[in-house]
Amino acid sequence: GQQVMQIPQYQHVQEGEDFTTYCNSSTTLSNIQWYKQRPGGHPVFLIQLVKSGEVKKQKRLTFQFGEAKKNSSLHITATQTTDVGTYFCAGILTDNNDMRFGAGTRLTVKP
Amino acid sequence: NAGVTQTPKFRILKIGQSMTLQCTQDMNHNYMYWYRQDPGMGLKLIYYSVGAGITDKGEVPNGYNVSRSTTEDFPLRLELAAPSQTSVYFCASSYVAENYGYTFGSGTRLTVV
Repeated sequence: GQQVMQIPQYQHVQEGEDFTTYCNSSTTLSNIQWYKQRPGGHPVFLIQLVKSGEVKKQKRLTFQFGEAKKNSSLHITATQTTDVGTYFCAGILTDNNDMRFGAGTRLTVKP
Repeated sequence: NAGVTQTPKFRILKIGQSMTLQCTQDMNHNYMYWYRQDPGMGLKLIYYSVGAGITDKGEVPNGYNVSRSTTEDFPLRLELAAPSQTSVYFCASSYVAENYGYTFGSGTRLTVV
């Protein structure tokens, strides 16, 4: 079935290094949302992107939505130990309005 | 304002037993959802509801049932529990409008043995 793919599955960085996770869909998305889940916690909504080519920033986090509305990325500048967790993208498929979550990228940060 | 509240937080079931996972929200959200999350995996939609009295199947509905008699409550029923239903279950809610993300509950960790 239609899926939203997310890479990488895991990323281990040294504190201060940058981090990027990518989300790709085989079909056009109406919008895309990003969530963060701390270890043992529940997903927490970060942001939603709607427009083609949209870029939004939240402090050290930069979110982008591709021009074709089929891909998105989350970039964290100068990671901190508080950034540890799993980052999920979730896209709404335009053809059936179903929301599909990516499998997530698990980020670990070494102090 | 408690948000989305799930009970219980943990449960161990024997194969063939049944149980109901409770979910309630106090944000007057119309939309509510049940997801399951298996280790290292994303979230799979089990059932969802767009309002009281209306429910629909998601990606993985087999072995589950739901009801939505009020705006606030959206219980998930497991009949004849199987080991494949061992997972973490999250309830979520959202406004109808597209500019709002989902608010998730803290989850129920279920083990079927």
